[in-house]
Amino acid sequence: DSGVTQTPKHLITATGQRVTLRCSPRSGDLSVYWYQQSLDQGLQFLIQYYNGEERAKGNILERFSAQQFPDLHSELNLSSLELGDSALYFCASTQGLSVYNEQFFGPGTRLTVL
Amino acid sequence: AQSVSQHNHHVILSEAASLELGCNYSYGGTVNLFWYVQYPGQHLQLLLKYFSGDPLVKGIKGFEAEFIKSKFSFNLRKPSVQWSDTAEYFCAVPTGANNLFFGTGTRLTVIP
Repeated sequence: DSGVTQTPKHLITATGQRVTLRCSPRSGDLSVYWYQQSLDQGLQFLIQYYNGEERAKGNILERFSAQQFPDLHSELNLSSLELGDSALYFCASTQGLSVYNEQFFGPGTRLTVL
Repeated sequence: AQSVSQHNHHVILSEAASLELGCNYSYGGTVNLFWYVQYPGQHLQLLLKYFSGDPLVKGIKGFEAEFIKSKFSFNLRKPSVQWSDTAEYFCAVPTGANNLFFGTGTRLTVIP
């Protein structure tokens, strides 16, 4: 157990819908990273938040957005869902801002878009 | 920006065989490299990391990796694999944009 929690574990929805994925970092960690893992793209970095502020952006679609709340949990919002959005979504947390710190990953949310 | 590539997509070994998984990084200069592992049904976790100093890095569970600058490589090794090493292994490198670039991963299947 890494100490990072993600809910829900599984999500099945239809195209065009909107979903919210939730991540709670390890106690004391201020930084949250979001990743998408799909069979054809591998593990892709989406976005990073540190202490409530967006700090780095990767291959995140405009239909996707994220935020980090004062209690440091983070949510990833996916809208106008397409079949290709089906993937595993991971979050990871670290204590500091630097990417050189070990990242502690959550168990992931498996999203299936039908 | 830095990137890594893993050319072995799926490796199948018998127990007690030696393991070497390839990871190549894109260019020289200061390089920091990671290996993460994802056991079936579990979260990714750090195996080992290289920042500087001794190019032979030892990690958890008997794994090690050697940083070879002349070959742009950071291959993961284990002298004798066990069935419990069945997992997916990812090499990763920090990019200039404060995030990690992960390789496509190598799935290791160890046959008892």
